[in-house]
Amino acid sequence: EAGVVQSPRYKIIEKKQPVAFWCNPISGHNTLYWYRQNLGQGPELLIRYENEEAVDDSQLPKDRFSAERLKGVDSTLKIQPAELGDSAVYLCASSSGTSAGDEQYFGPGTRLTVT
Amino acid sequence: KNQVEQSPQSLIILEGKNCTLQCNYTVSPFSNLRWYKQDTGRGPVSLTIMTFSENTKSNGRYTATLDADTKQSSLHITASQLSDSASYICVVSEGGYNKLIFGAGTRLAVHP
Repeated sequence: EAGVVQSPRYKIIEKKQPVAFWCNPISGHNTLYWYRQNLGQGPELLIRYENEEAVDDSQLPKDRFSAERLKGVDSTLKIQPAELGDSAVYLCASSSGTSAGDEQYFGPGTRLTVT
Repeated sequence: KNQVEQSPQSLIILEGKNCTLQCNYTVSPFSNLRWYKQDTGRGPVSLTIMTFSENTKSNGRYTATLDADTKQSSLHITASQLSDSASYICVVSEGGYNKLIFGAGTRLAVHP
């Protein structure tokens, strides 16, 4: 079974430029998460989707970040414009449900460097 | 504020030795506690998951313990191998739905 797929794996951009990350969750997983992981820290949730609906985006900086999950499968996370402080690893995860016992499976992440 | 704190921040051990990693949490309401292993450049992978009523859970050479009264957990690694070199992250699930609170992790290096 294929795991969570993310692309690109690495991205280097100059500040003020836009950037987008793509995630393809495990087949059949209705719940999708985007996390940001700063160096030496644990991941922090940015947004959680249940099918097409963003059910928790309280931690998403909405002035520059946006996300979409059209058709309830693939998802894209966008930053526009990027700032130096956005340099981090952006992880996508998916799960089959939203109960506390449902396992979240993580992708390899996209490492963003903003110069 | 819901928090998960881990110690030590980093650890170096020799191959074949045992080690124990610590986790303290203040997450409420508590649903379960997981330990994840994160290799460099990879996403976290779950090692164990424990609910309120479970005191210990093993996965091969990894054994996790949970004391829900003191809100402490530990991860014990037996007979360490070079492949155990990774970050180990303690994660607590808040409430009845799948909201995870992550610790900063312990970076373990196993040397030959």
